[in-house]
Amino acid sequence: GAGVSQSPRYKVAKRGQDVALRCDPISGHVSLFWYQQALGQGPEFLTYFQNEAQLDKSGLPSDRFFAERPEGSVSTLKIQRTQQEDSAVYLCASSLWAYQAGELFFGEGSRLTVL
Amino acid sequence: TQLLEQSPQFLSIQEGENLTVYCNSSSVFSSLQWYRQEPGEGPVLLVTVVTGGEVKKLKRLTFQFGDARKDSSLHITAAQPGDTGLYLCAGARNTGNQFYFGTGTSLTVIP
Repeated sequence: GAGVSQSPRYKVAKRGQDVALRCDPISGHVSLFWYQQALGQGPEFLTYFQNEAQLDKSGLPSDRFFAERPEGSVSTLKIQRTQQEDSAVYLCASSLWAYQAGELFFGEGSRLTVL
Repeated sequence: TQLLEQSPQFLSIQEGENLTVYCNSSSVFSSLQWYRQEPGEGPVLLVTVVTGGEVKKLKRLTFQFGDARKDSSLHITAAQPGDTGLYLCAGARNTGNQFYFGTGTSLTVIP
């Protein structure tokens, strides 16, 4: 596809379950970002990859959150032992370059609801 | 932590009115972007400004980057219902690779 693709679009999990969210960035894009967005609020940074290297994970809220991009393309955000406060939209964005000021191309997001 | 504060948080106006959205921070940014997000979609880039004092115009939208590169504004002239959405500013700092997003401004333009 031409854009960033995220799956699943919607996920309902029981508290304590593990979830995995997938992001297919635009082919050839070097940078990949994960953000968490609450309803009506701005996205909050979680983590950043440059190719397969995770250069910044300072935004991950706890050690229950883990992200990987093993081959420098597809990325997975995993949340272990989900809690109700994890309910949010998780956005993935990719950018062509490795430096700042490039345009971020976003997927439609994965909406996680933890019951 | 969101370094960029936007105001107002909510704005509801009549079609044809003008409006300004503000994006403020105590931090300096090497560049600043504005995005618009519609429900169920990801944000889409409107503009990037990189020079302090820079003004960019995009049809009815005017964007300004503060001289000190700590703040920005978005002015919309003669708003239309199609302008409805969540407006987000995002700043990049000289250190690190993060784009910091603002708190968001939800705009509703009533026909």
